[in-house]
Amino acid sequence: DPKIIQKPKYLVAVTGSEKILICEQYLGHNAMYWYRQSAKKPLEFMFSYSYQKLMDNQTASSRFQPQSSKKNHLDLQITALKPDDSATYFCASSQEGLNTGQLYFGEGSKLTVL
Amino acid sequence: QQKVQQSPESLTVSEGAMASLNCTFSDGTSNNFRWYRQHSAKGLEVLVSIFSDGEKEEGRFTAHLNRANLHVSLHIREPQPSDSAVYLCAVIGTNTGKLTFGDGTVLTVKP
Repeated sequence: DPKIIQKPKYLVAVTGSEKILICEQYLGHNAMYWYRQSAKKPLEFMFSYSYQKLMDNQTASSRFQPQSSKKNHLDLQITALKPDDSATYFCASSQEGLNTGQLYFGEGSKLTVL
Repeated sequence: QQKVQQSPESLTVSEGAMASLNCTFSDGTSNNFRWYRQHSAKGLEVLVSIFSDGEKEEGRFTAHLNRANLHVSLHIREPQPSDSAVYLCAVIGTNTGKLTFGDGTVLTVKP
C-alpha cells in the first residue's frame, strides 16, 4: 500500500484557474517536500517543510503556495494556472534531513493546463 | 549550482546482460548519492545510496562512486524486463542539503 498518498492522480485545468494538489504521508516523517517534473526536464525541487514550517522555497512564483494543516499533510495550491505549469508534481517525505534520511516519493499528480 | 548529467539517455539490453548507467556531478564536495527508479506513471523507488568512494551493493544493484572523477555509476546484474524504467541519479550538495536530479536514463530490457 502506498505510504504517501497524492490526490488527484490526474487533473486537467484551464488557464487562469486554481487547483489544489493533496499530499498525505503515513510514514511518521517530520519533513515533507514538493518536486516538479516537467517534460524533458529533470525532477526539480520546489519546497521543503519541517514540522509544518517552511524550510526552503526554490519556486520563484508566488502562485505556488504549500499548505500544511497537519504534520503529515502538505498540500500545494496553484493559482492563475498557466500552460507552462503542466507537469507531474511529486510529494516526498523524510524522517530527518536529507543528509541522513532517505527520501520517499508519492506516485505524483499529473497536471495538464489547457 | 550543482549540475548532474546522466548517460546514456537511453539503453537497451537483453535480459540477463549487465546494464551500466553513468552519472557525473559538478560539486566535488558532495558526499551523498542516490539512484532511483521510476516506472511509468509511478513514483520514485530508491535503489541504492552511497556515501563514500568504492562500491555499494543492494541486491542486483551496485553503485560505484569515484568522487575524484566526479562520477557515480549504477550496474544492474541480470536485468529483467520488469526493470525497464527510467533511472535517476540524485546528488545531495554538502552545503545545501538539497537533492539535485539528473535527466534520467531510459532502460529497456528485452526478453
